Amino acid sequence: NAGVTQTPKFQVLKTGQSMTLQCAQDMNHEYMSWYRQDPGMGLRLIHYSVGAGITDQGEVPNGYNVSRSTTEDFPLRLLSAAPSQTSVYFCASSLGPMDTEAFFGQGTRLTVV
Amino acid sequence: GQQVMQIPQYQHVQEGEDFTTYCNSSTTLSNIQWYKQRPGGHPVFLIQLVKSGEVKKQKRLTFQFGEAKKNSSLHITATQTTDVGTYFCAGRFYGGATNKLIFGTGTLLAVQP
Repeated sequence: NAGVTQTPKFQVLKTGQSMTLQCAQDMNHEYMSWYRQDPGMGLRLIHYSVGAGITDQGEVPNGYNVSRSTTEDFPLRLLSAAPSQTSVYFCASSLGPMDTEAFFGQGTRLTVV
Repeated sequence: GQQVMQIPQYQHVQEGEDFTTYCNSSTTLSNIQWYKQRPGGHPVFLIQLVKSGEVKKQKRLTFQFGEAKKNSSLHITATQTTDVGTYFCAGRFYGGATNKLIFGTGTLLAVQP
């Protein structure tokens, strides 16, 4: 049982480049979300989805796009990377939005130079 | 907006000492979860509290949810080196925000043998 899989684990981008962080889960979870983790800031919610075809903004959505075409996948796109987006990104999934634990991927460490 | 504050940011203890981290929200929470993140790892679910005044125990860990459902605490009795990591609370708010799981800033626990 793979759980939540994130790729890549590490990435270095130049300012202005675009890329997609991949997230896939094999637990048939409806609810998926993306967080970024910065020192002293905790985990901040970027975007989340309550099911295929449905996405919504979290606390810090600017500079990021998401889509949810299937239950399994929830990619996060950076259209034009900025140094302020240097962070560790975590994808999480849960069975439903309420009363269930979130399962996290291993994280993607992104550096924008 | 909905925010969850957590203190202290960092705690250093001698092995065998007790440890407590506190979580506060300005508005009433629907429920609260606690997660542990080992250094270099990803957050792992510990527990969820739903009812006002609820207290739950897991071996040396005691979790409390305040009567007003605005605050919570995690207490570790007789810390061990295996307790090292960052402890996060994460809350869900009522209304349209229940789909969002908002994390506190975390408390980093260091345990000296």
